[in-house]
Amino acid sequence: GENVEQHPSTLSVQEGDSAVIKCTYSDSASNYFPWYKQELGKRPQLIIDIRSNVGEKKDQRIAVTLNKTAKHFSLHITETQPEDSAVYFCAATELGGYQKVTFGTGTKLQVIP
Amino acid sequence: GAGVSQSPSNKVTEKGKDVELRCDPISGHTALYWYRQSLGQGLEFLIYFQGNSAPDKSGLPSDRFSAERTGGSVSTLTIQRTQQEDSAVYLCASSLALRSDRNTIYFGEGSWLTVV
Repeated sequence: GENVEQHPSTLSVQEGDSAVIKCTYSDSASNYFPWYKQELGKRPQLIIDIRSNVGEKKDQRIAVTLNKTAKHFSLHITETQPEDSAVYFCAATELGGYQKVTFGTGTKLQVIP
Repeated sequence: GAGVSQSPSNKVTEKGKDVELRCDPISGHTALYWYRQSLGQGLEFLIYFQGNSAPDKSGLPSDRFSAERTGGSVSTLTIQRTQQEDSAVYLCASSLALRSDRNTIYFGEGSWLTVV
């Protein structure tokens, strides 16, 4: 089955700086890669996703990039703000089979004011 | 329903008792997941349903844990003879799973279980 690795596990940045979180996946057939944000005490919620037919997607201050050849994808947050502090999870979906979604281990991002 | 609904939202139980956690997915969602999350930790996969069948139950920690789904909708996670290490938030999630590139997962608020 799919295996997703996520780095770093914790990340501290100064407000206004950029943050990058990286994930790698094992199944070359995976074709959908969502990112979830989980604020303290809340449920994880989808913030952005990317499909395998594109290499990059942007939504205001967040962007995702995908390198299918290397089987890795990244989340980029620019001009970080204190409200960006949360745990971020990447995920990958297998093509075919039962289409199970596999999550990474999470990155705790702290934005220091 | 409008979202994934879980009950109870909070449960305190004595060690050794059985508990049942319920998940009502978004209407029409065929895929349903159960995860466990301990304080400050990641999402620990427990079991995955596609319709009423569970093609992947590899994450269930022991035979004290079981889950079922009936009518392709509501799911129940049962923990028998609870132990203190079972204390965690149990998150349910669902998705349409019609096309793998539209497989957005929606999470419920979770059931906070405390075993004393």
